[in-house]
Amino acid sequence: EDQVTQSPEALRLQEGESSSLNCSYTVSGLRGLFWYRQDPGKGPEFLFTLYSAGEEKEKERLKATLTKKESFLHITAPKPEDSATYLCAVPSGGYQKVTFGTGTKLQVIP
Amino acid sequence: NAGVTQTPKFQVLKTGQSMTLQCAQDMNHNSMYWYRQDPGMGLRLIYYSASEGTTDKGEVPNGYNVSRLNKREFSLRLESAAPSQTSVYFCASSEGLAGATQYFGPGTRLTVL
Repeated sequence: EDQVTQSPEALRLQEGESSSLNCSYTVSGLRGLFWYRQDPGKGPEFLFTLYSAGEEKEKERLKATLTKKESFLHITAPKPEDSATYLCAVPSGGYQKVTFGTGTKLQVIP
Repeated sequence: NAGVTQTPKFQVLKTGQSMTLQCAQDMNHNSMYWYRQDPGMGLRLIYYSASEGTTDKGEVPNGYNVSRLNKREFSLRLESAAPSQTSVYFCASSEGLAGATQYFGPGTRLTVL
């Protein structure tokens, strides 16, 4: 069964304290990995898609990387406005659906 | 562009009542999806529609029905609501199926008493 596991479940950082979020997956034949940001009371907002091991993508203070077994979302010098839940997801089940992780809730304290 | 819109934003039902959640997208996407999100469970797919005129079951379809009214609109119906259906429901759309980026609506928070 395809699985996506995110760690840690929650992360509390001081403003400016860099860290990484992890997404590990088991899926037959990876066809991409998605990162989303979700603010309280809102729908997930697309951040990145990674397609192959070694690929990296950046957006402001966020950088996503991909290996054959996991993906990392690196947050450099975070600000309070980066506080949100970050979700990762992979196409699975014959690629007709997407399996989501349960997310990492990030809190950045001023 | 509004993207993906959902109505209502909040709803409270009594056990056994029925209701329809509405979803529309203005991005000319072929595929649309309904998810539910529960604490500790992540997003789970209820139904999806690969293209206008087709619908298929996802991971947790029991107790729900869907209608792909046209290319823009995809509705989710609860015929006889149960407390286990208390959740936040999200609609999403994408150009193609699972390999394509999905764009989400703002969600409907449903409570069944």
